[in-house]
Amino acid sequence: DTAVSQTPKYLVTQMGNDKSIKCEQNLGHDTMYWYKQDSKKFLKIMFSYNNKELIINETVPNRFSPKSPDKAHLNLHINSLELGDSAVYFCASSPRTGGDSPLHFGNGTRLTVT
Amino acid sequence: AQSVTQPDIHITVSEGASLELRCNYSYGATPYLFWYVQSPGQGLQLLLKYFSGDTLVQGIKGFEAEFKRSQSSFNLRKPSVHWSDAAEYFCAAGSSNTGKLIFGQGTTLQVKP
Repeated sequence: DTAVSQTPKYLVTQMGNDKSIKCEQNLGHDTMYWYKQDSKKFLKIMFSYNNKELIINETVPNRFSPKSPDKAHLNLHINSLELGDSAVYFCASSPRTGGDSPLHFGNGTRLTVT
Repeated sequence: AQSVTQPDIHITVSEGASLELRCNYSYGATPYLFWYVQSPGQGLQLLLKYFSGDTLVQGIKGFEAEFKRSQSSFNLRKPSVHWSDAAEYFCAAGSSNTGKLIFGQGTTLQVKP
């Protein structure tokens, strides 16, 4: 069983479109995250949710809107896509918040905006 | 500002040779420290972590890391590298204050036959 699964794996779309990425974890963790990995492989946190509540929002443009219907799911909706949004987006989960809690990552969604 | 630095962007070693990947951190206090590995097309997998206590920590796949407070370093080592170790390696640090992990830029490991 996949612990953290995200769909789709690849997403190719045009500028200006709206798209969503879904994430689900079956580990029973309380905290979920979205990370963005750019073309230089640098990983940066975007959002963190603990038990459906937003706890970290790292100055991400308002075009990005996370939604957590329950603690096992954290989806990412992106409006008005721009070229600079092209990246690999990783969902992750951890048992709890706190910098001592190791992350479990999904396999990523490669978003390409043309 | 809190930061994690991996000085080596790319390292090539021969199969069977020893490996050391460097990681330095800049934090107000000693953070929690992690090493992750990312294989092509995959997510990141936790190799090992350091919270406190023994400064030499053992991880999966034969990796170990040593925490050195005086050098603000947490270097990853492996005595004998296998071709399957070729991947991207990330050092990360976290603190209870921020509740988030900060990652280094990553080191690409290439293994020569």
